Order: sequence, then structure tokens, then C-alpha cells
Amino acid sequence: AQKVTQAQTEISVVEKEDVTLDCVYETRDTTYYLFWYKQPPSGELVFLIRRNSFDEQNEISGRYSWNFQKSTSSFNFTITASQVVDSAVYFCALSEALNTGFQKLVFGTGTRLLVSP
Amino acid sequence: DTAVSQTPKYLVTQMGNDKSIKCEQNLGHDTMYWYKQDSKKFLKIMFSYNNKELIINETVPNRFSPKSPDKAHLNLHINSLELGDSAVYFCASSPDRVLGTEAFFGQGTRLTVV
Repeated sequence: AQKVTQAQTEISVVEKEDVTLDCVYETRDTTYYLFWYKQPPSGELVFLIRRNSFDEQNEISGRYSWNFQKSTSSFNFTITASQVVDSAVYFCALSEALNTGFQKLVFGTGTRLLVSP
Repeated sequence: DTAVSQTPKYLVTQMGNDKSIKCEQNLGHDTMYWYKQDSKKFLKIMFSYNNKELIINETVPNRFSPKSPDKAHLNLHINSLELGDSAVYFCASSPDRVLGTEAFFGQGTRLTVV
């Protein structure tokens, strides 16, 4: 079965520090997708990024960057120069292909990031 | 316009009651989902519908019954509510069932059973 592990339950940093959120996944599929979602204190879930299993290029979007390494089954997320507005719970998710041809997202348990001024 | 909207946002009710949560998406998506987020923030899929057809039905008590009158709506009805049903319920939609399609989430409904 698919599994996503986010070992860091909570991380506290001071503004402007860099922080990396870890995500390790398990799957037997050769084709799969990985996602990161952000859940700010207001509660909604915001999509951040999607990466497919054949694309191991790192991605950078402003202060956010993602490091996908199939060799270690990891998809880590780094925030550079963190800001208070980055405070949220971050979820890593794996897209599981069902034999019906449909997919479902399997989420990790989330990492709560607290950025203090 | 909100892409995926759920009503109500907050719901407080007594044990044993029956309640419904409504979800509508205006994105023209074919696939809709219900997820449950427990007090520890763990997110787990409950149901998935594609073009009004039930696709995924995880191990959910049969007190929970989804209904999709059309592909833009997926409502969740819960009978005989129990304390353990207290959680945040998220509706989501995606363009199709294809692997890797991102899901767009509603703002969540916080259900408290007292």
C-alpha cells in the first residue's frame, strides 16, 4: 500500500531562517505523482506543487523549492528566508492509481511550521 | 467566485441527529471527493464520485451517505451522529480521474458533535 511519512510533527523557526520539510513515500508503482499542499490557520487547503515520478528536476518558485530524489523516495520542501505568513500545516501527498483507472491522494500526517517574528 | 464551496462552514449538533453538508464546484470538473480531517490533522479520503458515479468508497460507516445529484454537486449526509464524527470535512474536485490530477479543495466544514 502507498504510504507517505512526514516525520517532523512541528518545526519552529525565526523569521528569515531557511527551513526544510521532509517527505518520504512508499509505493510499488513506477508511475506516480507527488504533491505538496499548505493549510494556513484559516483552514483551507492550498495546492503548492505537483511532481511526476519521471521528472527529478528540482523546482524553485520564489522562496519555495522542492527536491525530489527517487533513490531515497523523498520529496522535500524548502522555504528560504521564512516569513510569518508561511506559518501553516504542510501536507505531502502521493497519488495512488487504483485498478479502476482512478486515482486517490494519500496524505502524510502533515508538518506544522511556526515562524515567529 | 469560490471554485469549491461547502455549506455550512461550521456545524454543531447533538449526538443521534442527522445532518448534511453540501458541496458545489463551478470548475466544470468531473470528479469530486470527500475527505475527513481528524483532530490530529490527518486527512483521509472517504468517497470519490466521477460524473455522478461512486468510484471510491473507503472504509466508512454506512451512516455516511454521499449523494451526487449532478456532477457539480456532491453532498454528504450523516445519520445518527456520534461523538467520533467530530472532524473537519473537506470537499474537493479534480478535472478528471487521470493519475496526477490535482485536487481543488473547499474551505472545509467543521463538524462538532456534542
